[in-house]
Amino acid sequence: EVQLVESGGGLVQPGGSLRLSCAASGFTFSSYAMSWVRQAPGKGLEWVSTISSGGSGTYYADSVKGRFTISRDNSKNTLDLQMNSLGAEDTAVYYCAKSLMAGSPWRAFDFWGQGTMVTVSS
Amino acid sequence: DIQMTQSPSSLSASVGDRVTITCRASQGISNYLAWYQQKPGKVPKLLIYAASTLQSGVPSRFSGSGSGTDFTLTISSLQPEDVATYYCQKYNTATFTFGPGTIVDVK
Repeated sequence: EVQLVESGGGLVQPGGSLRLSCAASGFTFSSYAMSWVRQAPGKGLEWVSTISSGGSGTYYADSVKGRFTISRDNSKNTLDLQMNSLGAEDTAVYYCAKSLMAGSPWRAFDFWGQGTMVTVSS
Repeated sequence: DIQMTQSPSSLSASVGDRVTITCRASQGISNYLAWYQQKPGKVPKLLIYAASTLQSGVPSRFSGSGSGTDFTLTISSLQPEDVATYYCQKYNTATFTFGPGTIVDVK
């Protein structure tokens, strides 16, 4: 059974940093691209970032480019999101999501974690 | 960047009605289009990928069509459990933009 468990969310002051993690199990993690998607309270889904299966390819939404860094450790089956220079607009539930098919990152997302809440406030 | 729009933004229909949601891309995306369902307080669920391929386990009353810039999600016979927000998503290049969502309610 595929499982994605996010952690690391919490309250952070504007301008601060936070590192999210996603622990994956139930599939061959190293074969799939992985992504982060966020959802601000009462709002729609916003894609944040995607990393290729091997980690060499990383892709970011314009809203987070230069502030967020996605990474993965295929030996530990973990996905991370380092978030710097956080602002109120980054307040959201952050989901990690698995690509539908192995290989290319240009896939839909077939499994999602339960999400971790990030609140940016003074 | 390619923008995704959806219409309507919300709809209310009766049980058994046929419901259609439209998604439009600002540029052609071939069939790199997915549909997700998000029920209140729940995690998004993949319904359809490649514009028209039903994800495993999804009821057959859901169907998708389209290619290029115009896509539709159809629920052939609306059920009470279909109350949710539906999002389209494009995934053809280095961005995975979601549409703004369509709220579906049952009268």
